[in-house]
Amino acid sequence: QVQLQQWGAGLLKPSETLSLTCAVYGGSFSGYYWSWIRQPPGKGLEWIGDINQSGSTNYNSSLKSRVTISVDMSKNQFSLKLTSVTAADAAEYYCARETGVGGSMFDYWGQGTLVTVSS
Amino acid sequence: DIQMTQSPSSLSASVGDRATITCRASQTISSYLNWYQQKPGKAPKLLIFTASRLESGVPSRFSGSGSGTDFTLTISSLQPEDFATYYCQQSYTTPRTFGQGTKVEIK
Repeated sequence: QVQLQQWGAGLLKPSETLSLTCAVYGGSFSGYYWSWIRQPPGKGLEWIGDINQSGSTNYNSSLKSRVTISVDMSKNQFSLKLTSVTAADAAEYYCARETGVGGSMFDYWGQGTLVTVSS
Repeated sequence: DIQMTQSPSSLSASVGDRATITCRASQTISSYLNWYQQKPGKAPKLLIFTASRLESGVPSRFSGSGSGTDFTLTISSLQPEDFATYYCQQSYTTPRTFGQGTKVEIK
């Protein structure tokens, strides 16, 4: 059974860097894209970006200048860094596996990390 | 970016009722449309992928249809555990985008 377990700092000050990591257990790391998705309190879902085992990335242009997603194949982990956070970045952040041929879907999700931005 | 618009934003229904949620894409996305269910404090759960294929373990009362720009999620007979928020999501291109959600509440 595939499990995604994520962790990282939940309270940040404005201008700091958000850093989260997601570990993948119980399945292959190769052959998939691994995504970060966020959800502001009471709002909808926003895809941040993804990465595959080769380190190939795709980013949402709305965040591209501040986002870096990286992968550590040796640990079956991938990470998110978001620089210069503001109150608008406060959200529940999820990691997820993206799978599918000829049309992908997010079939496994992490438990979520609530990130608060406050001075 | 492809905009996904769901309707209604919320619906109130009783156990046993049929519920229908629609999702419209701002451009054609073929059948690259997924549906998720989210309960409070939990991560979204995949229900339907590529418009009409039921994810393993999802009850058959859930069904999806559509192609191009217009899609529908139908719950044939609402059960107590189905009261949640539902999101559509396109996987036709990046950035992946989601609808704004439809909250299904108990009448």
